[in-house]
Amino acid sequence: DVKVTQSSRYLVKRTGEKVFLECVQDMDHENMFWYRQDPGLGLRLIYFSYDVKMKEKGDIPEGYSVSREKKERFSLILESASTNQTSMYLCASSPYRTRTGQGYTFGSGTRLTVV
Amino acid sequence: AQSVTQLDSHVSVSEGTPVLLRCNYSSSYSPSLFWYVQHPNKGLQLLLKYTSAATLVKGINGFEAEFKKSETSFHLTKPSAHMSDAAEYFCVLSLKSYGGSQGNLIFGKGTKLSVKP
Repeated sequence: DVKVTQSSRYLVKRTGEKVFLECVQDMDHENMFWYRQDPGLGLRLIYFSYDVKMKEKGDIPEGYSVSREKKERFSLILESASTNQTSMYLCASSPYRTRTGQGYTFGSGTRLTVV
Repeated sequence: AQSVTQLDSHVSVSEGTPVLLRCNYSSSYSPSLFWYVQHPNKGLQLLLKYTSAATLVKGINGFEAEFKKSETSFHLTKPSAHMSDAAEYFCVLSLKSYGGSQGNLIFGKGTKLSVKP
């Protein structure tokens, strides 16, 4: 089975800290995604990447950046964490550039609290 | 514009009774639609998918959904709820635009299903 692993299940960070959320997939998928999940809002796309060193903004990129130096790893970076970035962050990958949206696999999520 | 609307934020049923979770969509293109389930403290799991084949789609754990183009709906049903079905369910639309965003997913806001004994 495809596995998407997020390095931390829970994180607590202070306001202003630089925060790295790491995601690794083990099936050579081209596409990787970072979502943010908030109660009553569903999942919202922050950034995605279709290839190494390639990134595209999603719906809510403000306050975030990403890095994809290797195909299997996609990092989400909060340059200066703020309390409104307290949320659940989900990483996903999919195996091809598809028009049908199939083949997504999600990680278990990182619950980030900024204090 | 493409969007997904889940009509109920919370649904409560008794064990053994039918489940209906409602979803409407808006899409400029022929849509691909999915239902995902998220159990507490778990990642998202694909329940079923519609990609322009049969309009009645069967998924895992006894769930099914019917694509109705005339009503722009993709409601999720199950004949008999089980306690283990208690979770949050997301209706999801796949973007069929061009360029970098093709294949990206648009999520509904979720419906929390509670199952009473």
